[in-house]
Amino acid sequence: LAKTTQPISMDSYEGQEVNITCSHNNIATNDYITWYQQFPSQGPRFIIQGYKTKVTNEVASLFIPADRKSSTLSLPRVSLSDTAVYYCLVGAYSSASKIIFGSGTRLSIRP
Amino acid sequence: GAVVSQHPSRVICKSGTSVKIECRSLDFQATTMFWYRQFPKKSLMLMATSNEGSKATYEQGVEKDKFLINHASLTLSTLTVTSAHPEDSSFYICSARDLGTGNNEQFFGPGTRLTVL
Repeated sequence: LAKTTQPISMDSYEGQEVNITCSHNNIATNDYITWYQQFPSQGPRFIIQGYKTKVTNEVASLFIPADRKSSTLSLPRVSLSDTAVYYCLVGAYSSASKIIFGSGTRLSIRP
Repeated sequence: GAVVSQHPSRVICKSGTSVKIECRSLDFQATTMFWYRQFPKKSLMLMATSNEGSKATYEQGVEKDKFLINHASLTLSTLTVTSAHPEDSSFYICSARDLGTGNNEQFFGPGTRLTVL
C-alpha cells in the first residue's frame, strides 16, 4: 500500500485559493488518488478522485504530474466552512482493496 | 451518491458491557465493508475488513475476539465491542464501496461515538 505524506496543517483566509500537496512516491500502476474531507464527529466525505493529469469538479481540482508521485488538491475561493481535515488516499479500484489513512492536513480558514 | 448509515450515532455504556454498532449500505450492495476507529484529533485507523459471508480480516494489533464483526448480508455489517472498557471509547466509522458507480469512491458512514464509563 502506497504511503502518503501531507502537511500537518495549513492556514488561509476566506476567498483565497488553497493548494494541498500530497506525496505518494510508491504509488502503484493501478492505484487511484482520492481526496476526502472530514469535519469533526462526522465520517469522511469524498471530494475528488483522479488517476493522472487534471480532474475538476464543482468543488475542487486535482492536479497529478506525469510521474504520479504527488498530487495537489486545489480549493478555489475557500470559505470558513472549508475548515476541516483533508486526507489524500491512494488505492486500487476493488471492493476489497483497503485504504489506509495518513495523518491528513488540518486546514483552518480565517475571516 | 450512495449512502452508508450507522446506528446508533452515539452510545454510552458501562465498563464490561458489550455494544453493537450497525453499518448499512442503503442503496447499494457491498460485499466488503471496512471498520475504522478514530481517536480525538487523530486520523482514522483501519480495524478490519468485513467480508459478506466469510470471516473478517483484522489489521495487526486489533483483537478479533474483542471486536466481533459479522457481515450477514450484502447491506449490513455489525461491529460488536465486547467487554468494553474506557480505553475503547472512540469514534467508530464504517465504509463501503459501490462498484456500480464505476469509480473508486468509498462511502463512509456518519460514525458512532462510543463512550465507556
